[in-house]
Parts: sequence; C-alpha cells; structure tokens
Amino acid sequence: KAGVTQTPRYLIKTRGQQVTLSCSPISGHRSVSWYQQTPGQGLQFLFEYFSETQRNKGNFPGRFSGRQFSNSRSEMNVSTLELGDSALYLCASSLGTADNSPLHFGNGTRLTVT
Amino acid sequence: QKEVEQDPGPLSVPEGAIVSLNCTYSNSAFQYFMWYRQYSRKGPELLMYTYSSGNKEDGRFTAQVDKSSKYISLFIRDSQPSDSATYLCAPTTYNTDKLIFGTGTRLQVFP
Repeated sequence: KAGVTQTPRYLIKTRGQQVTLSCSPISGHRSVSWYQQTPGQGLQFLFEYFSETQRNKGNFPGRFSGRQFSNSRSEMNVSTLELGDSALYLCASSLGTADNSPLHFGNGTRLTVT
Repeated sequence: QKEVEQDPGPLSVPEGAIVSLNCTYSNSAFQYFMWYRQYSRKGPELLMYTYSSGNKEDGRFTAQVDKSSKYISLFIRDSQPSDSATYLCAPTTYNTDKLIFGTGTRLQVFP
C-alpha cells in the first residue's frame, strides 16, 4: 500500500508570496491532518480535515488554510508568507473514524521563506 | 508550562546499551500515549502506543505509562545504530488526529 505522498519536497519562496502544498493520503484514509515542524517549537498541529470538512483547528493565524477534496487529497495554503513560516510541513492521514486510529505521516515539504 | 515536556538531548549511547526516553505531561485527560520515531529528512513513523497506564512491549521496545505521575517512558533494549533518530512522545485524548507532540529527544547510538 502506498504511503502518504507530499509534493513538492522542497520550496523556496519570498516574503509576501503565497504557497500551496499538496498531500495524497493512504488509500482508504478519510482524515488528513497538517503539522508544522520547526527546531524551536517542534511539531505543531495546524488543522484536520475529514470528508471535505475541517474538523479540528490549531492555533495558527488565518493565513494558514486548507481544504480537502472528495478523493481525500488535501491542500494547504499559506498566504502573505513571513520568514517565520520557514518550516517542515507534514501531512498525516488516518481512518479518522475510530478512537486510536494512528496517524501515518508523509515525509513533508520543506518550505524556506527568504 | 507546556502540555508535553521532553528532554531534547542529544542522548549518545554505545551499541547494546539500554536507553530510557521520557516525557511528562500536564493534561490528566490524556488516555492514549504514542511514541513516534523520526529519521533525518523523513516524517515521523508510529513506533508504538499504549492506552491508559501500564506497560507494553514490542520486541526491543517497551512503553510505560504512569498516569498518577503523568510520566511516560520508552525503553530500548540492545540499542542499535539504526535506532539513531529523534523520538517524539504524543499523549492525547480520544482525538488521535490532533496530537500534541513533545519536542523530541535525539538519540545517537554509536558502534
């Protein structure tokens, strides 16, 4: 079974630009979550989508948004990029329908904002 | 105070050593306790999880939870260089899609 796929692997953007990251979950998984990982803050939860609806949201500004499509694929968008948005963005998928449905992570998109 | 605290390391041990990795947490509602392993340039992978207090063993790995003291441990027996990675604890409530991670402990096992 193919794992979680994230594209692109690396991105370099300039302050003020916007960026879209893509995630394809494991086949059959309906929940997709996004996390930001930085050396200082570690892994922080951004949001989770299930059946095209945002089900959970972390404490990030509105510049961070996402969506999920009917095939469970998800995109994350960051507008008006700031230097502090440089991070590894990780997508994770799960069945999302039961307690203790473990998360399976992709290898992330490394975003650098200059 | 952070919800989950974890010593960042690095922790450097010789091959064959017993390793103890620890986390403390503050939310008494946490019921599931997950350990993830993250190799360099890779995403985290689920190593093991436990529900409520007690021990769980999987090969060379043992997860231990003490809810009374809000303390989580992961023990690695006969450590191998391939165990060199960052280990992240993630206690959570019923909602295992919204995890709160510790900052991770970087482990180095040298031959």
